[in-house]
Amino acid sequence: GAVVSQHPSWVICKSGTSVKIECRSLDFQATTMFWYRQFPKQSLMLMATSNEGSKATYEQGVEKDKFLINHASLTLSTLTVTSAHPEDSSFYICSARPSYEQYFGPGTRLTVT
Amino acid sequence: AQSVTQLGSHVSVSEGALVLLRCNYSSSVPPYLFWYVQYPNQGLQLLLKYTSAATLVKGINGFEAEFKKSETSFHLTKPSAHMSDAAEYFCAVSDQSGNTPLVFGKGTRLSVIA
Repeated sequence: GAVVSQHPSWVICKSGTSVKIECRSLDFQATTMFWYRQFPKQSLMLMATSNEGSKATYEQGVEKDKFLINHASLTLSTLTVTSAHPEDSSFYICSARPSYEQYFGPGTRLTVT
Repeated sequence: AQSVTQLGSHVSVSEGALVLLRCNYSSSVPPYLFWYVQYPNQGLQLLLKYTSAATLVKGINGFEAEFKKSETSFHLTKPSAHMSDAAEYFCAVSDQSGNTPLVFGKGTRLSVIA
């Protein structure tokens, strides 16, 4: 089946620094990838849709200048959390779709101290 | 617009008992429906999906779900719960175009009691 990887699986950073999270589709090409955020004991909230070769589409309320998304190739999308603050601490999950079905990465736990 | 409602944020069953997790959807177009399972600190694993073929869908780990258009429901069941079934379960909906992202319900945490 389709496999999506994320790196790193967890990261701790200091407030004010930036963190980059990578999402890769390992055995298929994905023109569209999605970035979700999940707070403890809550559901997944869509942050943005990442389109290869074009700008990402952000959901309402998501700061595009804070959460920078780059979809540079058909197998890689990156999410950079800029000037991270403790309230950005969360579980970030990406997904990619070869067709109608979305495949999810294992997630990245971000802790900002 | 599409939405999903999962009744019961927490369901507790005894080992060997029937598992029933409820999901109702709202969609202005014919939907595709999915159930995912999430173990702590992990991503989502697809259990099963409805894509307008058979209304009774069988998935992995003994789970199945039935699409009922008249009730706008897609409840997840398993005849006999196992301790390893304890996890968070999410119902999700999308349209059939493949162009829109999944919309998730709030999730149901399943506990299995020995």
